[in-house]
Amino acid sequence: GAVVSQHPSRVICKSGTSVKIECRSLDFQATTMFWYRQFPKQSLMLMATSNEGSKATYEQGVEKDKFLINHASLTLSTLTVTSAHPEDSSFYICSARTGGPGKETQYFGPGTRLLVL
Amino acid sequence: AQKVTQAQTEISVVEKEDVTLDCVYETRDTTYYLFWYKQPPSGELVFLIRRNSFDEQNEISGRYSWNFQKSTSSFNFTITASQVVDSAVYFCALSDSFGNEKLTFGTGTRLTIIP
Repeated sequence: GAVVSQHPSRVICKSGTSVKIECRSLDFQATTMFWYRQFPKQSLMLMATSNEGSKATYEQGVEKDKFLINHASLTLSTLTVTSAHPEDSSFYICSARTGGPGKETQYFGPGTRLLVL
Repeated sequence: AQKVTQAQTEISVVEKEDVTLDCVYETRDTTYYLFWYKQPPSGELVFLIRRNSFDEQNEISGRYSWNFQKSTSSFNFTITASQVVDSAVYFCALSDSFGNEKLTFGTGTRLTIIP
């Protein structure tokens, strides 16, 4: 159980285009999902917390208008990188939280490698 | 503010050796949760264990064991009889028990098991 998928797994796009990444919880419902970014050989940095039915909460330094997050259902959150530039190239990972009170655990998707040319 | 320190950046051991990955954390919360995740070369983070701050019992799962020492704010991870498939980056993480339980990750330890 607790499987999270991401699509696409890899994407290459031209500078200036927008890219949408989907994160789905396959066998559970998640009111809260998280989006992380990971640069090569570095740790995960939380970008934003996505709550179903409400606006996402962004971490300090993350541009809301550049990284649009939509949590439209209990099993789907999307991250759209708008007007992507080469510096946005990174590994983006989502997680979905599940578990009862006091037992919450984040399960991670396989990640999406974004390369902006 | 919460902080997780994994002082070992890279470790290499020969297959079948035991290896311990260190994790030291800082938090002002009295209730918190500690995690270990494994990130193989494919990139996906695999959940290994969750431990709450009130449970200091050590845990063993097959070749994996965890030693939680609240007195030293450490949550170390030991792999016994290591195998090549254990090669990965291992992250220790900390979350609080309130709000949205955001995870604070350590910088990770890259473990290489030499055949």
